[in-house]
Amino acid sequence: SQQGEEDPQALSIQEGENATMNCSYKTSINNLQWYRQNSGRGLVHLILIRSNEREKHSGRLRVTLDTSKKSSSLLITASRAADTASYFCATDAWGGGNKLTFGTGTQLKVEL
Amino acid sequence: DAGVIQSPRHEVTEMGQEVTLRCKPISGHDYLFWYRQTMMRGLELLIYFNNNVPIDDSGMPEDRFSAKMPNASFSTLKIQPSEPRDSAVYFCASSHLALDTGELFFGEGSRLTVL
Repeated sequence: SQQGEEDPQALSIQEGENATMNCSYKTSINNLQWYRQNSGRGLVHLILIRSNEREKHSGRLRVTLDTSKKSSSLLITASRAADTASYFCATDAWGGGNKLTFGTGTQLKVEL
Repeated sequence: DAGVIQSPRHEVTEMGQEVTLRCKPISGHDYLFWYRQTMMRGLELLIYFNNNVPIDDSGMPEDRFSAKMPNASFSTLKIQPSEPRDSAVYFCASSHLALDTGELFFGEGSRLTVL
């Protein structure tokens, strides 16, 4: 079963705008990760946030985690056409044995 | 490092045929995962290994699916006999627990079409 559900399923924005994607999950976690997948390619790790962290930054990426609401958000600032991809959250569930469960993904399209 | 290498990249076969997908993880990684991706079900974990030992195969759909990891540098996922509903992209990923990042490194996937 899907641990994470991303919202929205699809997002279309103009280059230079910010893109925000949300992820909700169901069980207690050790950490939450975000991955990116370009069409026809494998997934690439973007950023990891641990359960005791609330916010993390990496370049143009900002991730927040609210464990009380079991939710996370990924913000991409000053988006570029090259950011067009699908974005997935993945959770490492507490007691889950070091395996990641992926959400349903958000398809982001950044138009020129 | 070449990354995780999967073969074949594309496979088209007929129902009832045996399919073998192959994966070479990143050298030194002690975890190997097989995922399946479809539009309907998203990314599903099929099985994962730690130090070549299967740890959790609860995601393997049925007995037609089997996975092996005979050594640290090679794993196979076999479907016998294949069915049209097995059509999907199959991903192999590896990780190194000692990095403490939990990051998975994915291959480019094997796209399977069963006619």
